[in-house]
Amino acid sequence: AQKITQTQPGMFVQEKEAVTLDCTYDTSDQSYGLFWYKQPSSGEMIFLIYQGSYDEQNATEGRYSLNFQKARKSANLVISASQLGDSAMYFCAMRPTYSGAGSYQLTFGKGTKLSVIP
Amino acid sequence: DGGITQSPKYLFRKEGQNVTLSCEQNLNHDAMYWYRQDPGQGLRLIYYSQIVNDFQKGDIAEGYSVSREKKESFPLTVTSAQKNPTAFYLCASSNPGTARTNTEAFFGQGTRLTVV
Repeated sequence: AQKITQTQPGMFVQEKEAVTLDCTYDTSDQSYGLFWYKQPSSGEMIFLIYQGSYDEQNATEGRYSLNFQKARKSANLVISASQLGDSAMYFCAMRPTYSGAGSYQLTFGKGTKLSVIP
Repeated sequence: DGGITQSPKYLFRKEGQNVTLSCEQNLNHDAMYWYRQDPGQGLRLIYYSQIVNDFQKGDIAEGYSVSREKKESFPLTVTSAQKNPTAFYLCASSNPGTARTNTEAFFGQGTRLTVV
């Protein structure tokens, strides 16, 4: 079974500052993928960034980077130069990457609500 | 454009009624998912399907049913057995990944179900 833990229900960050959103995970799978999604108040889910368990380098996508520490089972999202439009819920998720039953199961954490202060 | 379409956007149901939420995708994805989201909460998996005519229960399947007769479609029925169905429902689809490829799930716009 997979489990995602996001321990920060809410975070505040000053505009233009960087912020780290925490995510730890638990799995017995050797091969898996980690995802971060953003959910604005409109409700849509926006994919931000992906990290594969065998990737040796941390993933980056524009202002988003993923601080992946495999031994500690953590996959923290770092947002640099925060903007007002970054205010939203952020969800960490994971899915195994093997074939067979259960291989598509995508598990989410409870999310962190980020508020960017002008 | 390719994507996932959920309908309706808002749905009102009387107690004791069954209702069906529609989800259609034209991304040619193998897998489809249904999630429930309550205010301030994360996404909880109701059902998912890896191939046509096959689906698995997620963490909160009680009171829900699904079908997967076509690759493109994965409707969710909220039955009268679901005691507290008022929530935001999200449908998603994806393809399998490998250890080195990104296969994020794509989401619909959601259906907000309210019991009146």
